[in-house]
Amino acid sequence: DIVMTQIPLSLPVTPGESASISCRSSRSLFDPVDGNIHLDWYLQKPGQSPQLLIHTLSYRASGVPDRFSGSGSGTDFTLKISRVEAEDVGVYYCMQRLDFPSITFGQGTRLEIK
Amino acid sequence: QVHLVQSGAVVKSPGASVKISCKASGFSLSSYAMHWVRQAPGQGLESIGWITAGNGNTRASQKFQGRVTFTGDISATTVYMELTRLTSEDTAFYYCARINTGMGDDHWGQGTLVTVSS
Repeated sequence: DIVMTQIPLSLPVTPGESASISCRSSRSLFDPVDGNIHLDWYLQKPGQSPQLLIHTLSYRASGVPDRFSGSGSGTDFTLKISRVEAEDVGVYYCMQRLDFPSITFGQGTRLEIK
Repeated sequence: QVHLVQSGAVVKSPGASVKISCKASGFSLSSYAMHWVRQAPGQGLESIGWITAGNGNTRASQKFQGRVTFTGDISATTVYMELTRLTSEDTAFYYCARINTGMGDDHWGQGTLVTVSS
């Protein structure tokens, strides 16, 4: 199974500042058949189901502000949040789906407002 | 519009089994894999496994193999997850989800709280 590792696990941020979360996979998530990297980012806000933020490395899901961006290469990925707002509080997860339907999540990064 | 509605919270005794339902609307279960994910208190998201109800294929994550069963009823547009031999470590929110496959179409149920307590 592909193992996903996130850092940091906790991320205190001042409103208006930027934040970055890193995620690493135990093997490349690049699929040579379709040319895509099968890495997604989710946010789980307190008391809610997870919601998709970024899919296929860098594509924002519908309704997601452009303050959120995803980047990376075969095994190393970054979620960047520009101008953090209070509503961004929650736990962020990276998830791989290279061998879909099999999926695995990172441990999660808890973003809190200073 | 896609909706996933799960059955309600339950309390079970250690050693018992639990069966959770997930009723889908707005799409055909035959055409999608449906996932089950859980989140224990203070813990992260954990994949339990998946079912493609159209052909009956299922797979459980290694941790749950031998203890979990996924079933689907196409006519009832519902998928089910049954977990046996419950322990306190199975206390968690359980989610069904239609995970996006690259088009950003991602949908989750509201979650079902399973509490295992004597």
